[in-house]
Amino acid sequence: GNSVTQMEGPVTLSEEAFLTINCTYTATGYPSLFWYVQYPGEGLQLLLKATKADDKGSNKGFEATYRKETTSFHLEKGSVQVSDSAVYFCALSARGATNKLIFGTGTLLAVQP
Amino acid sequence: GAVVSQHPSRVICKSGTSVKIECRSLDFQATTMFWYRQFPKQSLMLMATSNEGSKATYEQGVEKDKFLINHASLTLSTLTVTSAHPEDSSFYICSAALSGNEQFFGPGTRLTVL
Repeated sequence: GNSVTQMEGPVTLSEEAFLTINCTYTATGYPSLFWYVQYPGEGLQLLLKATKADDKGSNKGFEATYRKETTSFHLEKGSVQVSDSAVYFCALSARGATNKLIFGTGTLLAVQP
Repeated sequence: GAVVSQHPSRVICKSGTSVKIECRSLDFQATTMFWYRQFPKQSLMLMATSNEGSKATYEQGVEKDKFLINHASLTLSTLTVTSAHPEDSSFYICSAALSGNEQFFGPGTRLTVL
């Protein structure tokens, strides 16, 4: 079946450090891939997405590239800020699945000043 | 972006009682609402998908008689946990979407069953 595996946290970084959160997936066909972010006390928000191979999603300085050959969608940011502290979820939606999302376990990012 | 609210944000109840959780889309009409459950350090697990005016579609392994879902209008869906037991304690999250489009998530409800 379809699944998402992402690196366990917490990830603790100093401000302005480089961030990578790994995400790999298993799916039949060609799913759409997403990164969601959950700030403390708030609901999940869509951070970025990619719908086909080699697409790069980007938003707020975050980027992720849909790599079909490695079935990966790693999240990166060149210089993190304290305000980026949150839980990050990788997710996929299979073709024809009508919005149905399958999530990874989430990775807590803590950025220290 | 669109706003989805949940009420209550946290609830504590005695074993055997029923608890209702509301999910509202505040500034758009949602044709579809989703209910998820999240255990500590685990991913969100989809419980059911509900479309306004029709019966919810439950995921495999989710007891439909225990987790009653009502989607009476395009802005409101409710999840009722019937005869709750300690193993039902969890974080319940809803989302709302226009058909085929992005899901917008509520902040979640922490249920603790004593």
